[in-house]
Amino acid sequence: AQTVTQSQPEMSVQEAETVTLSCTYDTSENNYYLFWYKQPPSRQMILVIRQEAYKQQNATENRFSVNFQKAAKSFSLKISDSQLGDTAMYFCAFMKDTARSRDDKIIFGKGTRLHILP
Amino acid sequence: GAGVSQSPRYKVAKRGQDVALRCDPISGHVSLFWYQQALGQGPEFLTYFQNEAQLDKSGLPSDRFFAERPEGSVSTLKIQRTQQEDSAVYLCASSFPRLAGGGDTQYFGPGTRLTVL
Repeated sequence: AQTVTQSQPEMSVQEAETVTLSCTYDTSENNYYLFWYKQPPSRQMILVIRQEAYKQQNATENRFSVNFQKAAKSFSLKISDSQLGDTAMYFCAFMKDTARSRDDKIIFGKGTRLHILP
Repeated sequence: GAGVSQSPRYKVAKRGQDVALRCDPISGHVSLFWYQQALGQGPEFLTYFQNEAQLDKSGLPSDRFFAERPEGSVSTLKIQRTQQEDSAVYLCASSFPRLAGGGDTQYFGPGTRLTVL
């Protein structure tokens, strides 16, 4: 069974600073997908960034980037130049390679509550 | 609407009542998922449809939970004889037809917050 662990329940940083959210996971799969989702108080789960495990290059999306360490099963999210609108719950998530399995569900971590302070 | 919609946004039920939660996926999305999110926790998988076929219901916590998607678009999650432990946010997600490489991105709705008194 796959598990996703986020060891930081809550973090606070000043606006414009850089913050890194940690995530580790456990799986016996070789091919899979990793995601970071953002959930603001409105509850809408928004995809921030995704990474295919077979790609060595770390994914980036504007101010968001990941540090994917496959051997260590680590997948951290870095937010640069943080903004007040980044305040939200952030969930790390795992999905099997659905091209070879019928198991399409996402496994989520417990989340990190991030506060961006003015 | 361009996104996944869910209704109602909030539902209060007395213990023992039946409730029905609705999900309208993005038009053309084949796959539809239901997740349950307890307060302060990450979402947990309940069940999954591909078109009208329910391919996985391993996450449904009891036989009081039932989901359907009869025409392969709108889905309803029904909870019979609600209990206090059913209080949670119920999230629906949909995704594009399966890509050759898999890993289809799931797009989430705003959820329904169910409170059982």
